[in-house]
Amino acid sequence: EAGVVQSPRYKIIEKKQPVAFWCNPISGHNTLYWYLQNLGQGPELLIRYENEEAVDDSQLPKDRFSAERLKGVDSTLKIQPAELGDSAVYLCASSPINSGVGFNEQFFGPGTRLTVL
Amino acid sequence: GQQVMQIPQYQHVQEGEDFTTYCNSSTTLSNIQWYKQRPGGHPVFLIQLVKSGEVKKQKRLTFQFGEAKKNSSLHITATQTTDVGTYFCAGPNAGGTSYGKLTFGQGTILTVHP
Repeated sequence: EAGVVQSPRYKIIEKKQPVAFWCNPISGHNTLYWYLQNLGQGPELLIRYENEEAVDDSQLPKDRFSAERLKGVDSTLKIQPAELGDSAVYLCASSPINSGVGFNEQFFGPGTRLTVL
Repeated sequence: GQQVMQIPQYQHVQEGEDFTTYCNSSTTLSNIQWYKQRPGGHPVFLIQLVKSGEVKKQKRLTFQFGEAKKNSSLHITATQTTDVGTYFCAGPNAGGTSYGKLTFGQGTILTVHP
């Protein structure tokens, strides 16, 4: 079974430039997560989708970040414009179900390491 | 908001020594998950604990969920170099508008010296 796929793996941009990350979850997983991970820290949730609906985007900086999950499968996360402080690893994860009571495990992709110069 | 704290932040051990990391939540958790992240890798799910006082074992790894469901621990017996990595605990928020959000601790970085 293929895992969560993310691209690109690495991205270097100058500040104020736009950037986009792509995620393809495990087939059949209806819940998709975007996390931000700074060095030496745990992942921090940015947005969670159940199918095509964003059910938790409270931590997403909406002035510059946007996300979409068309057709409830692939997802893209965009930053426009990028700032120096956005340098981090952006992780995508998926799980087969999120009942809100008993969580299933989350399967993480390899992440996209973003460097903003 | 909910906070999940882990101690220690770093642990250096000689191969063969035991290792324990502790996880404490500011709120009661319905369940807790543990993940391992190898250097340069991504978090990989290890286990989930649900019941108060639950203890689960995976070979040399022992996971415990506290009676009050606010703390947890991971103990590794006789560490090996393959145990190197960062161990994260993660717990879901209970109730409120962020119900279902998984909050990760900051992790414990384990280094094993051969």
